[in-house]
Amino acid sequence: SAVISQKPSRDICQRGTSLTIQCQVDSQVTMMFWYRQQPGQSLTLIATANQGSEATYESGFVIDKFPISRPNLTFSTLTVSNMSPEDSSIYLCSDSTGTTAFFGQGTRLTVV
Amino acid sequence: GQQLNQSPQSMFIQEGEDVSMNCTSSSIFNTWLWYKQDPGEGPVLLIALYKAGELTSNGRLTAQFGITRKDSFLNISASIPSDVGIYFCAGRSGNQFYFGTGTSLTVIP
Repeated sequence: SAVISQKPSRDICQRGTSLTIQCQVDSQVTMMFWYRQQPGQSLTLIATANQGSEATYESGFVIDKFPISRPNLTFSTLTVSNMSPEDSSIYLCSDSTGTTAFFGQGTRLTVV
Repeated sequence: GQQLNQSPQSMFIQEGEDVSMNCTSSSIFNTWLWYKQDPGEGPVLLIALYKAGELTSNGRLTAQFGITRKDSFLNISASIPSDVGIYFCAGRSGNQFYFGTGTSLTVIP
């Protein structure tokens, strides 16, 4: 499995600001995903990061709030824009071989 | 998005006991996966199942892909303190993965 590095691992941010989370994979992967995990909850898919084209967002998530970049097959970023306390969550990057999915260590975001 | 029903929600067991948890869905999946998540970490893949009826082991862990393709279970034998964590099932449909609600496991020494 590919090794996925995510940074920052945690951050405390002021409301109204934006945070960009980076995800680096140590080998080329076809598919990368971004998930949100609210405290004590399961994982919810935000979007599929497509290389060279716009991300595909799930219902309830929009590009203006969660812009995603994927400039190549090993790197992606997720920005959480105009943050509010409700955005406090763990954000997880994942890659997929097509049949299995692997995760980074997550970014724990607290918005104050 | 779709979410899988996972039970039990939490378990408190004595060290050495066996553990069983399961996951059900109203949809058919092509792959079932089981993950463990420790506090402050991302989920780590434990077992992947690719065929209906498949039974796969990984050390003290055994998981099965249900015949109907709508369910899966995970067993942990002879639990130890480091088994503590949250266990998630996941089903794959096409290129997407859907996650269970999680089972929180506490092992009492």
